[in-house]
Amino acid sequence: GQQLNQSPQSMFIQEGEDVSMNCTSSSIFNTWLWYKQDPGEGPVLLIALYKAGELTSNGRLTAQFGITRKDSFLNISASIPSDVGIYFCAGQPSTDSWGKLQFGAGTQVVVTP
Amino acid sequence: EAGVTQSPTHLIKTRGQQATLRCSPISGHTSVYWYQQALGLGLQFLLWYDEGEERNRGNFPPRFSGRQFPNYSSELNVNALELEDSALYLCATPGPRTGRLDEDTQYFGPGTRLTVL
Repeated sequence: GQQLNQSPQSMFIQEGEDVSMNCTSSSIFNTWLWYKQDPGEGPVLLIALYKAGELTSNGRLTAQFGITRKDSFLNISASIPSDVGIYFCAGQPSTDSWGKLQFGAGTQVVVTP
Repeated sequence: EAGVTQSPTHLIKTRGQQATLRCSPISGHTSVYWYQQALGLGLQFLLWYDEGEERNRGNFPPRFSGRQFPNYSSELNVNALELEDSALYLCATPGPRTGRLDEDTQYFGPGTRLTVL
């Protein structure tokens, strides 16, 4: 079952606003990943984080790997209509064998003009 | 470089039947991961194949099985289908080799939507 707590579950924002979401875990993670999924499609990798404290940007997206290795956040600045979708965090727990990612339940983002 | 491909796009079965789903990884990659995404839920890890062998398995009953072929493509088989098996089944392969120790990035195919009636 899910071991990652992702929040918020959904967000309704106006175009131009910033978006922030985060994931927390009770266990330490070696890797944090952020994906976006559009309806009927597979998740698309947005940002990958490999080191505690790492801050990485991809265009208007910024993500950070928490210092404690138990959390991560994703920010989207100046949202546009195509930012609509479900955003998932995922990670490789240090206690699990390699190759087995855990996923958060997702944050549904709705952007209104 | 072609991405991860999956077939069929949609599959409709009835309870008790068997379903076979297929995945071809990114060219040159030997690992294939399978995930189940039920409606409204996150992705649940199912199986990991590498070099033709099952390397890891999620918390799913033995009805869920698979195999990997010499060309690294993979099949996921679900036997004795139940209504709750209805979900989007996603296949993923690792990302490009970057030299990092933790190459846990995974790239997904478009998925197969399985509906069990």
